[in-house]
Amino acid sequence: EDQVTQSPEALRLQEGESSSLNCSYTVSGLRGLFWYRQDPGKGPEFLFTLYSAGEEKEKERLKATLTKKESFLHITAPKPEDSATYLCAVIQGGSNYKLTFGKGTLLTVNP
Amino acid sequence: NAGVTQTPKFRVLKTGQSMTLLCAQDMNHEYMYWYRQDPGMGLRLIHYSVGEGTTAKGEVPDGYNVSRLKKQNFLLGLESAAPSQTSVYFCASSSGLAGAYEQYFGPGTRLTVT
Repeated sequence: EDQVTQSPEALRLQEGESSSLNCSYTVSGLRGLFWYRQDPGKGPEFLFTLYSAGEEKEKERLKATLTKKESFLHITAPKPEDSATYLCAVIQGGSNYKLTFGKGTLLTVNP
Repeated sequence: NAGVTQTPKFRVLKTGQSMTLLCAQDMNHEYMYWYRQDPGMGLRLIHYSVGEGTTAKGEVPDGYNVSRLKKQNFLLGLESAAPSQTSVYFCASSSGLAGAYEQYFGPGTRLTVT
C-alpha cells in the first residue's frame, strides 16, 4: 500500500485558473512533509517543508497546507512557467531522514 | 556555490559492464542519498549515508554498491549492469540537523543499459 498518494496524476489549467494539488499520506509519526518541483530533465527543486497539522507556507503563487492526513498545494493565478511535475514526500519517525515520495502531479498551464 | 553536482550526465552501457556515478556537494552536508526515478514509480531510495565512512541500504539496493570516503562525495557503483537498471539516477544531500530535513538534489544521470 502506497504511503504517499498524489492526485490528480495530471492537471491542465488555463493561465490564471487557480487550483489545488493533493498529497495524502498514511505514515505514522510524521516528521515532515515536503513539496518539490521538478522540471523536465532536471532534479527536484525544494519548495516547502511542513511539520505539523495546521501549518501553512507560501511562496509567490504557491501555498502549501497540512492536515493530519493530507497536504494541499494551492496554485493561485498560475502562469505557464509554473508548468512542472510537483512531488510530495514525507519523512516518518525513526526513518533516519529517508524521504518517501509520491508519484507526482504533472501540471500544465496553458497561456 | 554549485550545490549538488553529478557526473556523468548521460551514459550508455552494455549488459554486464560496470560503471561508477559520482556525486559531489559543497554545502558541508552530513547526509547523502542515491535515488532512481522510473516512469510511473516515483523516486526510490537506493542507498544513503549519514556521514563520512558510513553507508546504508535503502528501498532498492540490489545490484548497486556505494562508498563515502570523503564527506563531500558519494559514489554509486554498478558492478554488472542489467537492462533493469536503465533509469535516471539522482543524488541528494541534507544537513541532517534537527528540523532541517529537506534534501537538495543534483541534476541527474540518465543511464541506459542495452
